[in-house]
Amino acid sequence: SDVLTQPPSVSVAPGQTAKIPCGGNIIGSERVHWYQQKPGQAPALVVYDNIERPSRIPERFSGSNSGNTATLTITRVEDGDEADYYCQVWDSTSDHVVFGGGTKLTVL
Amino acid sequence: DVQLVESGGGLIQPGGSLRLSCAASGFIVRSNYVSWVRQAPGKGLEWVSIIYAGGNTKYADSVKGRFTISRDTSRNIVFLQLDNLRAVDTAVYFCARGKPYDFWFWGQGTLVTVSS
Repeated sequence: SDVLTQPPSVSVAPGQTAKIPCGGNIIGSERVHWYQQKPGQAPALVVYDNIERPSRIPERFSGSNSGNTATLTITRVEDGDEADYYCQVWDSTSDHVVFGGGTKLTVL
Repeated sequence: DVQLVESGGGLIQPGGSLRLSCAASGFIVRSNYVSWVRQAPGKGLEWVSIIYAGGNTKYADSVKGRFTISRDTSRNIVFLQLDNLRAVDTAVYFCARGKPYDFWFWGQGTLVTVSS
C-alpha cells in the first residue's frame, strides 16, 4: 500500500492562513479526503473528493491537489481550529484505505 | 439523524477475543458501507476493515486472518470480531459510515486494551 506523508505539526497565528500538505505518489490518481480530530473526539470530515466541503463546514476550509501533493488550507484561522488533521485516500491498487500520519495544527 | 454507537471494548489478555458492536440508526446498514478505524493511544488513524452494501469485506494487512467484520441486518448492527489479540491491537475502535471510502459519520469509539 502507498504512504501518505504529512508534517507532524503546523503552527499559525489567529487570523492567518494554515496550509497542511499531504504527499504521496497516489495523490494524483485517487480522491483525497480530510478529517479534523479534536482531543477526545471522533474525527470529522472537513473536505472530500479533493475539493468538496460538507455543508456544515465553513468556507474557510478548502482542499486542493497539485501533482503528488494535496493541501488542506484553512483561512482566517481561529482558536477552535486547533486540532489534528488527517488526509486519507482509497488505494484502488491494494484495495485499502490509507491515512496520512496526521498533522497537529497549533494556533499561537 | 445518523448515529453510530460502538460497544464491546474492554481489557483482554494477549491471545484473547472480543466482539465489538456498532449499532446504527438513521440509515440501513445493508444498503451502506461501514468501516472500522482504530487509533492507538497517542497515535494516528488506521483503517481496519470495511463491509460493503453487497456484503463483501476487506481488511488491513495487519488484521487479516485475525479480525472478521459482519453485520446483523435485522438489528442494524455491524460487528468486528477480534481474535488472537496482540498488544499492538490496543486502540480506540471507531465505526464509520462511508460513501464508500470517505467517512461522513463516526461513532465515539470503544477502547480495547490488550494486556496481561
